[in-house]
Amino acid sequence: QVQLVQSGAEVKKPGSSVKVSCKASGGTFSSYTINWVRQSPGQGLEWMGGIIPIIGIANYAEKFQGRVMITADKSTSTAYMELSSLRSEDTAVYYCARVVTGDGAFDIWGQGTMVTVSS
Amino acid sequence: QSALTQPASVSGSPGQSITISCTGTSSDVGGYKFVSWYQQHPGKAPKVMIYEVTNRPSGVSNRFSGSKSGNTASLTISGLQAEDEADYYCSSYTSSYTVFGGGTKLTVL
Repeated sequence: QVQLVQSGAEVKKPGSSVKVSCKASGGTFSSYTINWVRQSPGQGLEWMGGIIPIIGIANYAEKFQGRVMITADKSTSTAYMELSSLRSEDTAVYYCARVVTGDGAFDIWGQGTMVTVSS
Repeated sequence: QSALTQPASVSGSPGQSITISCTGTSSDVGGYKFVSWYQQHPGKAPKVMIYEVTNRPSGVSNRFSGSKSGNTASLTISGLQAEDEADYYCSSYTSSYTVFGGGTKLTVL
């Protein structure tokens, strides 16, 4: 059974960037999509974007266009989400999640990575 | 890409049924069959409970069911149990983006 294992918690300064990784354990990327979803403290889920690793094409939510980059390394079955120009409002838990079929349903989630932005 | 609208909270007693609504537009919920529902317990990652409006993944109790009418999707939980107390989120996939609802806190009285 595939698991998504994310990198550890990060503390960043305002204006800096953060890069979070998501490794598929127990399987490969195959033909599915890896998405990134964030959740600010006490708030709801927010889709940031996704990538199809085997072809390297990513798409992003309008809100994050120009500030987020999602990439994937097929050789290591690892996806990355880099968010730049960090501000305090970016403090959140960042999840990666898999979509296997074209229905857009996130069937497997990573454990989440807490990113704290503080001066 | 505006968030879908859900009630902030719903409650019910054990054994009762509750329904959570999720309202979007013809550009998302109303225009596609790709509505999913997620359950999230505190400190945990979300778990998919319903996909493609009405389908349950293997292992999800048949007490959970989904439906859609126009621009509004609904999640119904029958025979409420204490373990159902959690936050619930709907999402709509439009083939170019995904949008979530604001979430609904379910309290089992």
